[in-house]
Amino acid sequence: GENVEQHPSTLSVQEGDSAVIKCTYSDSASNYFPWYKQELGKGPQLIIDIRSNVGEKKDQRIAVTLNKTAKHFSLHITETQPEDSAVYFCAARDSGGGADGLTFGKGTHLIIQP
Amino acid sequence: NAGVTQTPKFRVLKTGQSMTLLCAQDMNHEYMYWYRQDPGMGLRLIHYSVGEGTTAKGEVPDGYNVSRLKKQNFLLGLESAAPSQTSVYFCASSYGWGSNQPQHFGDGTRLSIL
Repeated sequence: GENVEQHPSTLSVQEGDSAVIKCTYSDSASNYFPWYKQELGKGPQLIIDIRSNVGEKKDQRIAVTLNKTAKHFSLHITETQPEDSAVYFCAARDSGGGADGLTFGKGTHLIIQP
Repeated sequence: NAGVTQTPKFRVLKTGQSMTLLCAQDMNHEYMYWYRQDPGMGLRLIHYSVGEGTTAKGEVPDGYNVSRLKKQNFLLGLESAAPSQTSVYFCASSYGWGSNQPQHFGDGTRLSIL
């Protein structure tokens, strides 16, 4: 099955700086890579996703890059703001077999220092 | 539009007791999922359903049962609760399967087994 590794587990950055979270996956058949943001006491919310036929996707201050050859993908947040403080999860999903759920990384606690 | 709603939000049980967690979605999604979230472990899939009347096992199904009698509802049951089942449980749903169908999460049920 799929295995997703996420680094770092905690990331502290100054407000206004950029933050980068990295994930690697093991199953070369995986072709969908979403990123979720989870605030305290809430469920994960999808913030951006990328499919394997695309190398990069951007949505305002958030971007995701995918390197299929190296089997890794990254989340980039620019001009960080206090409201970006949360736990971020990467995930991967393959297109074959049944409709089983996503395989998640263990999360990154992003702290934005004022 | 409520999205995915989970009840109850909190519950404390004694070892050996049983209970049912309810998930309801109003997005007419075919697919529904139950995950558990433990510290340092990310989210792990317990069971999922690809449609009314169908269920399947995920990564960590032992000790849990599920039912999908109606399309909009997905129930997670603990027949004889154990302390190892202390966790936060999240339900999710998606329109279909495949790499272009993001999952939408509820806000979780926090369950403690004493």
